[in-house]
Amino acid sequence: NAGVMQNPRHLVRRRGQEARLRCSPMKGHSHVYWYRQLPEEGLKFMVYLQKENIIDESGMPKERFSAEFPKEGPSILRIQQVVRGDSAAYFCASSPRDRGNTIYFGEGSWLTVV
Amino acid sequence: SQQGEEDPQALSIQEGENATMNCSYKTSINNLQWYRQNSGRGLVHLILIRSNEREKHSGRLRVTLDTSKKSSSLLITASRAADTASYFCATDLGSDYKLSFGAGTTVTVRA
Repeated sequence: NAGVMQNPRHLVRRRGQEARLRCSPMKGHSHVYWYRQLPEEGLKFMVYLQKENIIDESGMPKERFSAEFPKEGPSILRIQQVVRGDSAAYFCASSPRDRGNTIYFGEGSWLTVV
Repeated sequence: SQQGEEDPQALSIQEGENATMNCSYKTSINNLQWYRQNSGRGLVHLILIRSNEREKHSGRLRVTLDTSKKSSSLLITASRAADTASYFCATDLGSDYKLSFGAGTTVTVRA
């Protein structure tokens, strides 16, 4: 999983601010996934993206959250007007394709909302 | 909804002993995966077992899958202090990418 790069590793935001989390997939991987881990819980699927396309966003909160994976550059998970309940670890994962492959996770971005 | 549930929640063992943890799930799966997470770190993939497999080994790890009971177990043999971590099972929810994780088993290996 060393190849999936996430930054920042730790981010502190005040309530109402915006948080932007970035993810560069492993080399050769064109599929990116975002998961969220609340304290003391397992990871929960949020969104699946390919370059310039959102394939499945069934796990994304309806408001304030958005994700993109542009043609050039990293995937971005954006949280607008953060609230305390958004405090969590956000993990990005990537795979070469969506079927029959292990997905590899990054080290995570820990968001703390104060 | 949470599909995989690990048991026990926490496990403390002496170095050299074996550690066994279980995972139960609710619906049919294509495969089940086990991951390790050290405190404050990302997930490391340990092993994937497909629904038509019953047992798989990787080094000191042994995973079993019983689809009739909808359960899996992870055995770590001859544990080491470095095995101290949380262990999660993840089942697919109809696709390989939409994984459902349990809350994990926290394993502490005492030197």
